[in-house]
Amino acid sequence: EAQVTQNPRYLITVTGKKLTVTCSQNMNHEYMSWYRQDPGLGLRQIYYSMNVEVTDKGDVPEGYKVSRKEKRNFPLILESPSPNQTSLYFCASSATPLEFRAGFSYSPLHFGNGTRLTVT
Amino acid sequence: AQSVTQLDSHVSVSEGTPVLLRCNYSSSYSPSLFWYVQHPNKGLQLLLKYTSAATLVKGINGFEAEFKKSETSFHLTKPSAHMSDAAEYFCVVSPRSGSARQLTFGSGTQLTVLP
Repeated sequence: EAQVTQNPRYLITVTGKKLTVTCSQNMNHEYMSWYRQDPGLGLRQIYYSMNVEVTDKGDVPEGYKVSRKEKRNFPLILESPSPNQTSLYFCASSATPLEFRAGFSYSPLHFGNGTRLTVT
Repeated sequence: AQSVTQLDSHVSVSEGTPVLLRCNYSSSYSPSLFWYVQHPNKGLQLLLKYTSAATLVKGINGFEAEFKKSETSFHLTKPSAHMSDAAEYFCVVSPRSGSARQLTFGSGTQLTVLP
């Protein structure tokens, strides 16, 4: 089954304790991205990756790191979590970068089921 | 620059009655527009997309949306609500061409369907 798998689903941690949220997709997608979802704010992009070893900042990258060493995996790293990073996090992937060229058709984002992170 | 405004944070309808979820957008470029649905404890799923072909777009589960450039709107409708439609809905705007980071989500509309 085609899917994006995030782990863990729930995580409670303390300020300053490094953590990693894993994301894996089995669809051979080039594009992967991390979002955080907060009430009343919709989804905001943290980082994205156009392909292996190619990553770039989204709208809210402060306090986060990512890496893309393999096509299928795109982990999100919080080196020193703080309470303002308490949120619901989603990983997403798509077959191609969200960039239109002549004759190119849009490929939708496939989302994981989310990771609810609480930092105390 | 681009933005998207979902005009209602909560909408309540009775089962069998029409659904209208409103979305207005602002974009410096010709936009592509999407609606995603999020059921509880799940990720987002694409409902439908507008990418410059027909202005009336049909999606999954009987939903449709109409792109109105003059009104800068992309409202989501369904003729008859079902209990399983209860979820949160997000309107998303992207320029027709550009970088992958230029995907802007609305703040979401929570749809409640009453029996």
